[in-house]
Amino acid sequence: NAGVTQTPKFRILKIGQSMTLQCTQDMNHNYMYWYRQDPGMGLKLIYYSVGAGITDKGEVPNGYNVSRSTTEDFPLRLELAAPSQTSVYFCASSYGPGRGHTEAFFGQGTRLTVV
Amino acid sequence: AQKVTQAQTEISVVEKEDVTLDCVYETRDTTYYLFWYKQPPSGELVFLIRRNSFDEQNEISGRYSWNFQKSTSSFNFTITASQVVDSAVYFCALISSGSARQLTFGSGTQLTVLP
Repeated sequence: NAGVTQTPKFRILKIGQSMTLQCTQDMNHNYMYWYRQDPGMGLKLIYYSVGAGITDKGEVPNGYNVSRSTTEDFPLRLELAAPSQTSVYFCASSYGPGRGHTEAFFGQGTRLTVV
Repeated sequence: AQKVTQAQTEISVVEKEDVTLDCVYETRDTTYYLFWYKQPPSGELVFLIRRNSFDEQNEISGRYSWNFQKSTSSFNFTITASQVVDSAVYFCALISSGSARQLTFGSGTQLTVLP
């Protein structure tokens, strides 16, 4: 059972480049989340999804886009990368209210540097 | 809107001391779930406990215990006889079953246990 898998683990981008952070889960969770964690800081919610075809903005959505075409996958797209997007990105998934909002399982994180 | 406040940014204790990490939450919903996560220096997020709003029983798991008090909107975490391996950042998180549907994290408390 792989849980939540994020790729890549590390990436260096140049200013203005674009990239997609991949996230997939094999637990049939309906809720999925993307967070960013700046050095020494907490987790800030970028986008979340409560099921396939449904996405919503979190606290810091600017500069990012997401899609949720399947239950398993929740990719995060960075358009026109900026130094302010240098961070560690975490994807997470959980069951929603139908199963009592279970704990979120997290991927190992993607360390992104924009130079 | 919902909010989680961890007022203690950093705590330092000597090994074998007891330490309590505070968590205060805000939500308008009557059904909600609270969580604690640990983030060791290696960076992954480790789930510790989940508690729903209808269960105010305190819980003990080994050296860890949790005190949930709805009257003060607090969900505090105590480590008894702390050990160096407890050094980590600890996050409190909240999700409500109402309209928010976001898993919101506090800013975290950095715990350092000195030998």
